Amino acid sequence: SQQGEEDPQALSIQEGENATMNCSYKTSINNLQWYRQNSGRGLVHLILIRSNEREKHSGRLRVTLDTSKKSSSLLITASRAADTASYFCATVLGYKLSFGAGTTVTVRA
Amino acid sequence: DAGVIQSPRHEVTEMGQEVTLRCKPISGHDYLFWYRQTMMRGLELLIYFNNNVPIDDSGMPEDRFSAKMPNASFSTLKIQPSEPRDSAVYFCASSLRGMMQPQHFGDGTRLSIL
Repeated sequence: SQQGEEDPQALSIQEGENATMNCSYKTSINNLQWYRQNSGRGLVHLILIRSNEREKHSGRLRVTLDTSKKSSSLLITASRAADTASYFCATVLGYKLSFGAGTTVTVRA
Repeated sequence: DAGVIQSPRHEVTEMGQEVTLRCKPISGHDYLFWYRQTMMRGLELLIYFNNNVPIDDSGMPEDRFSAKMPNASFSTLKIQPSEPRDSAVYFCASSLRGMMQPQHFGDGTRLSIL
């Protein structure tokens, strides 16, 4: 079952712009992970944020976590055509990992 | 460093046939996961193994589905008999030390049951 819900479902931006997507979830979590999936490929892990962390950076990626609102956001700065993909949040509680439905991002050249 | 390897990449077969999907995890990883991805249901965890032992198979949809991990470097997911509603992309993933760590996915098997 999907616990995380991403918003928006789809996003189209110009190269160089920032892309922001959100993930909301229903229960407590141990950590939250973001993955990217290119068309026809498997998921690639981007970043993991633990429940006691509020913000994390990795290159052009910035992830925030607000456990009081049960939400997380992924920001991609200075987007490139190669960032075109679907992005999924995954919540972890104990030994359960649940993926959201994903946000499809299209970066226009 | 080789990633997770799945075979075949594509499988088309007729309803009622047995289907076997194969996965080779990353060497040294002690957890292996099988997922199914469809447009309707998204990404679903079917089963996962720790040190070759099945830990949670609550996501396996029916008795027609079975999974084995005879050794640390090989796992299979079998569907017998297959039905059209089993059509999906099946992913295998592996990780070191379970859910608290990133999972590494293979490129999946696209299964079509006619």
